[in-house]
Amino acid sequence: NAGVTQTPKFQVLKTGQSMTLQCAQDMNHEYMSWYRQDPGMGLRLIHYSVGAGITDQGEVPNGYNVSRSTTEDFPLRLLSAAPSQTSVYFCASSLGRTGGSYEQYFGPGTRLTVT
Amino acid sequence: EDQVTQSPEALRLQEGESSSLNCSYTVSGLRGLFWYRQDPGKGPEFLFTLYSAGEEKEKERLKATLTKKESFLHITAPKPEDSATYLCAVQARGTGGFKTIFGAGTRLFVKA
Repeated sequence: NAGVTQTPKFQVLKTGQSMTLQCAQDMNHEYMSWYRQDPGMGLRLIHYSVGAGITDQGEVPNGYNVSRSTTEDFPLRLLSAAPSQTSVYFCASSLGRTGGSYEQYFGPGTRLTVT
Repeated sequence: EDQVTQSPEALRLQEGESSSLNCSYTVSGLRGLFWYRQDPGKGPEFLFTLYSAGEEKEKERLKATLTKKESFLHITAPKPEDSATYLCAVQARGTGGFKTIFGAGTRLFVKA
C-alpha cells in the first residue's frame, strides 16, 4: 500500500512553461485535493475533487487546472508558470465527504521553482 | 471569514518541559478539527480529529482538547524527536461539499 504518491519531487521551470504535477493514491479514496505551502502562510487549497469526474476550485485556483478521470489519479496542471507559483505542492486524499472520517493523507510533496 | 490562527509561531523547549500549542478558529458549520505533524521536507501526518467541544484525544506524549473557539495540543515531557511543525486544520461546510482550512503552524524545537 503506497498511500499517496507524487511526481516529480523537484522541478525547475522557466516563466511561461507548462507542466503537470502527478498525484496518485491506492486507498480508493473519494476525496482528493491539491495544496500549496508557502513560508508563514500554511497550506492553501488550490483545487479539490469529491469523486471521479467532479472537481471544484479552492482558495487559490488561478493559473492551475485539474481533472479527475479515475478515482486513483488527480493531476495538477500549470498552464503558464509564473515566479509567484514557486512553492511546495502537496496532494492529499481522504475517505470521502459523507460518513467515515475526514482526515487527509498527504503525499511527500513537489518542490517547484519558477525562474 | 473562516480563519484559523495558531500560536506561538515557534516554541523552544528543553527536554521534559511540558507546554501547550494553541489553535483558535472562526468557521461556520464546523465538521471537525484536525492536528497534523509535519517534519522538514515531508508531507503532513495526521495526529488527531476532534468533533465537538469537550472532546479530548491522546497519543503518547500528546493530548488534544477542543472548546467552541479553540483547540490546544498539550505536550507532556517532550523529547527531541517531538521537534516538528504542528498544523491545525478545521473542516467546515463549503459550496462543493466541505473545505479544509489550515493554520500556519507552530514550529516546535525540543533540546536535549
